[in-house]
Amino acid sequence: DTGVSQDPRHKITKRGQNVTFRCDPISEHNRLYWYRQTLGQGPEFLTYFQNEAQLEKSRLLSDRFSAERPKGSFSTLEIQRTEQGDSAMYLCASSLLGWGETQYFGPGTRLLVL
Amino acid sequence: AQTVTQSQPEMSVQEAETVTLSCTYDTSESDYYLFWYKQPPSRQMILVIRQEAYKQQNATENRFSVNFQKAAKSFSLKISDSQLGDAAMYFCAYRRLEEYSGGGADGLTFGKGTHLIIQP
Repeated sequence: DTGVSQDPRHKITKRGQNVTFRCDPISEHNRLYWYRQTLGQGPEFLTYFQNEAQLEKSRLLSDRFSAERPKGSFSTLEIQRTEQGDSAMYLCASSLLGWGETQYFGPGTRLLVL
Repeated sequence: AQTVTQSQPEMSVQEAETVTLSCTYDTSESDYYLFWYKQPPSRQMILVIRQEAYKQQNATENRFSVNFQKAAKSFSLKISDSQLGDAAMYFCAYRRLEEYSGGGADGLTFGKGTHLIIQP
């Protein structure tokens, strides 16, 4: 068990470009969550998957944000046409259904949009 | 919607002393989970302690304990014998039970955090 991993750890992009982040959850965890954390704030819930099904996506910030978990293992979060306001830390967490839903977090991907 | 409030943006404590971080929350639900997470500088968020609302007994994990006052909707974290490694942002978080989320899971609702400084 190596914990939740995220890639890349840092991303700098120009406004208008698309970016994609990857999250690898703890191997036996069937639930995966995405959060955004801006400076001076706590994380803000965006979406979650149970296995490959995306069961909550109404909290995604706009239609520029999308997430996938095609085989129920790793997940990707894509932001299209990035804006400067998208600059933030994007956190991934995973949990095991039935274990009181304690979420374990990855190190995050820090995005800077120039 | 649930809200979580951490009224102390920053706290400072001498090494080996005890410090208490405050958290209040607002909910109309009778059962839920509460968590304290620690986020060291440039490192990932780590679970410190969790509390199920239906349990009256306060959770304890080594030097960390909570004072859960359900009626007051208060969930404070006490750190005893503070160590330099305790320096971090501490976030209080709330999670709904699945029965209140339409049968599915829900994300955590976090407070804004408290920056804990340990003075050597």
